[in-house]
Amino acid sequence: AQSVTQPDIHITVSEGASLELRCNYSYGATPYLFWYVQSPGQGLQLLLKYFSGDTLVQGIKGFEAEFKRSQSSFNLRKPSVHWSDAAEYFCAVGHTNDYKLSFGAGTTVTVRA
Amino acid sequence: DVKVTQSSRYLVKRTGEKVFLECVQDMDHENMFWYRQDPGLGLRLIYFSYDVKMKEKGDIPEGYSVSREKKERFSLILESASTNQTSMYLCASSLQGAETQYFGPGTRLLVL
Repeated sequence: AQSVTQPDIHITVSEGASLELRCNYSYGATPYLFWYVQSPGQGLQLLLKYFSGDTLVQGIKGFEAEFKRSQSSFNLRKPSVHWSDAAEYFCAVGHTNDYKLSFGAGTTVTVRA
Repeated sequence: DVKVTQSSRYLVKRTGEKVFLECVQDMDHENMFWYRQDPGLGLRLIYFSYDVKMKEKGDIPEGYSVSREKKERFSLILESASTNQTSMYLCASSLQGAETQYFGPGTRLLVL
């Protein structure tokens, strides 16, 4: 069965600093990989996704993620964080032969002025 | 843009009540999903449906049932609500397979 691990429960970062959120997955085949963001009281919004091809993926709001097969990782990065990036971030993994996605437990990002 | 709507943002129910949560998507998606979200546990799949009148159990189906009579609508039913079903419930839809899922705003349910 596939699983997703987000090792960091909570990260605090200063506005303007860089951000990296870690995601590791366990799955035998090449997965579909996603990052979602959830602002307080809202549903989940897709930031970016990887299905195949270039392993560096650009998303919305200035985010990018890199798929590293050798490390089974799909880490999310942003060079300069804005106060509006304070939210909860979820990594998810799926597979072409399945309908379902498996989600990590989430990482809460706090942005300090 | 895909739009997924949920019938209520907040609900307060009593233990033992029958609760209906409704979800509607407007993009002719094949698949629809119900998740519950609890702090520290992420999203856990309750049920999903890959076609009208078709449903499959997810990871935590106990205490829940679903109905999909029309392609655009997917209902989650709590037959007899219990306090441990207090949670945030999220509905999602996807076009096919493990494609991108689009989420509704969520329903925060409190069972007293």
